Amino acid sequence: GENVEQHPSTLSVQEGDSAVIKCTYSDSASNYFPWYKQELGKRPQLIIDIRSNVGEKKDQRIAVTLNKTAKHFSLHITETQPEDSAVYFCAASTADTDKLIFGTGTRLQVFP
Amino acid sequence: DGGITQSPKYLFRKEGQNVTLSCEQNLNHDAMYWYRQDPGQGLRLIYYSQIVNDFQKGDIAEGYSVSREKKESFPLTVTSAQKNPTAFYLCASTPGTASYEQYFGPGTRLTVT
Repeated sequence: GENVEQHPSTLSVQEGDSAVIKCTYSDSASNYFPWYKQELGKRPQLIIDIRSNVGEKKDQRIAVTLNKTAKHFSLHITETQPEDSAVYFCAASTADTDKLIFGTGTRLQVFP
Repeated sequence: DGGITQSPKYLFRKEGQNVTLSCEQNLNHDAMYWYRQDPGQGLRLIYYSQIVNDFQKGDIAEGYSVSREKKESFPLTVTSAQKNPTAFYLCASTPGTASYEQYFGPGTRLTVT
């Protein structure tokens, strides 16, 4: 079945620096790749997503890139702020069953 | 925080007891999902339902059961057969397939002693 690997598991950056989180997936038929942010004690919320017909998508300080050939996608956060501190999850849709497979999460800490 | 709700927020049970977690949504979404979240393991799918009166096992269904008698409700029962039930449980819904934004509930933290 589909497998999603996410790296790194923890990431610490200085405020204003960029942060990059990478995910790889195994099912070449996957076509939807969302990123969720989960603040401590709260529910995950979608921050950006990309579909397989697009290579890059940007929303203000957040961008996602997709490399279908290599089967990996990445989240880029520029000009990080302390409020970006949270756990980030990537996910990939499965082709034959209607579900998302999540990565194991990246705990991002942004220090002032 | 409307849209999708879960209750209670915290739940404590003794080992050997079944317990039912509530999930309700007023978003008119067709599909609903139950996830289990453990530290360092991300979100793992327990069960999901794409339409009323139908549901499928996820990746870790053993020891759990669900029902989908109404579109807006998808309760999860953690049975005594679940070996390690202490976890954070999240319910989610989408308007159609999994290839759309999943709206999560606030979660229920279950502790079994």
